[in-house]
Amino acid sequence: GAGVSQSPRYKVAKRGQDVALRCDPISGHVSLFWYQQALGQGPEFLTYFQNEAQLDKSGLPSDRFFAERPEGSVSTLKIQRTQQEDSAVYLCASSLPIGDGDTQYFGPGTRLTVL
Amino acid sequence: GESVGLHLPTLSVQEGDNSIINCAYSNSASDYFIWYKQESGKGPQFIIDIRSNMDKRQGQRVTVLLNKTVKHLSLQIAATQPGDSAVYFCAEAFSNDYKLSFGAGTTVTVRA
Repeated sequence: GAGVSQSPRYKVAKRGQDVALRCDPISGHVSLFWYQQALGQGPEFLTYFQNEAQLDKSGLPSDRFFAERPEGSVSTLKIQRTQQEDSAVYLCASSLPIGDGDTQYFGPGTRLTVL
Repeated sequence: GESVGLHLPTLSVQEGDNSIINCAYSNSASDYFIWYKQESGKGPQFIIDIRSNMDKRQGQRVTVLLNKTVKHLSLQIAATQPGDSAVYFCAEAFSNDYKLSFGAGTTVTVRA
């Protein structure tokens, strides 16, 4: 079946612009995660949804970062007033409910470059 | 002192040989461990996982070993192929938790 998809795959923004990154999880996966991966590093947790509820946003680096999943399927990560340090790959992952299957399946990521 | 499974950021291996990738995890309370493979321009791909009540688990051409005493995880790849060239990450978590904590990756290059 289809895996996790993300769009756009690449995004170039001028400093100060707002961006929106989209994630389509695997059908039936109620858990959705966003991670940030800096160049040469492992992914770092940003936020977690179970269905439409955002249960943890402790990893979001600032209040410029906002994530939503209004209908419990597609999620959007929004970054306001982008800064150069926001340049990274943003990865989305989905899984079955925690306790039923812990494997997180990742999408291809969106590479954000802030000029 | 004895070095057990020193983590190396890069590993070059001859095609057909076996590879061993090491990872030292940080939290002794973690009880769920995963290995991911990440190719250039792609997201991490699940390889194999293991829970803390096991010390070894085998998959297709891969074996994961867990040593809780020294907080060490390793991934063995048998008969390494060119398609195995990638960055490999270990990750740890608490079971029934959701946050994956990733280690430093190891870049594996397979020589023909």
